[in-house]
Amino acid sequence: NAGVTQTPKFQVLKTGQSMTLQCAQDMNHNSMYWYRQDPGMGLRLIYYSASEGTTDKGEVPNGYNVSRLNKREFSLRLESAAPSQTSVYFCASSLNTDYEQYFGPGTRLTVT
Amino acid sequence: AQSVSQHNHHVILSEAASLELGCNYSYGGTVNLFWYVQYPGQHLQLLLKYFSGDPLVKGIKGFEAEFIKSKFSFNLRKPSVQWSDTAEYFCAVTFSGGYNKLIFGAGTRLAVHP
Repeated sequence: NAGVTQTPKFQVLKTGQSMTLQCAQDMNHNSMYWYRQDPGMGLRLIYYSASEGTTDKGEVPNGYNVSRLNKREFSLRLESAAPSQTSVYFCASSLNTDYEQYFGPGTRLTVT
Repeated sequence: AQSVSQHNHHVILSEAASLELGCNYSYGGTVNLFWYVQYPGQHLQLLLKYFSGDPLVKGIKGFEAEFIKSKFSFNLRKPSVQWSDTAEYFCAVTFSGGYNKLIFGAGTRLAVHP
């Protein structure tokens, strides 16, 4: 099992450009999440999908959109990147929202 | 708002020293508690979790944590640290009521010197 995979691992964008971060899990989990990690702030939830077909905002959703493509895949889109979105992005999944989450390797995004 | 506090942002220890990292949360209801570890350049991994039962929880790599409900605390301990324990440690809590969002503390960077 690969667990949770993310692509790309690194990305540099110019302000105003758009991109999609991809996430997939092979653990048959129902719930999936997107977080951003910034120094001294821990992880902050951007969006989550409690189950296939549903998505909801987390703590810091502004500037992002998500798509739960199917049970395995959950993508995060930046429509118009801003320097404030420079961060490390982690995808995670869990069996259900009550259970522990498993994290992907992260995407390091720099917006110039 | 629900929150999680980690007392120390940076901890420096020598090998074989004992470790205790503090974690407090703000909510008095039902919680699930987690400690995650992030080794340099890697993703977060679960160290241990508490849902219910014995408040002293044992995790991987010799770590343990104690849930003290009256103090809203879930401190992480290890009797004797190793150089390989150098990492960042995150306490995380889910709070009951609706969707159980996982709220993270800001993290504690641990450096263990040989």
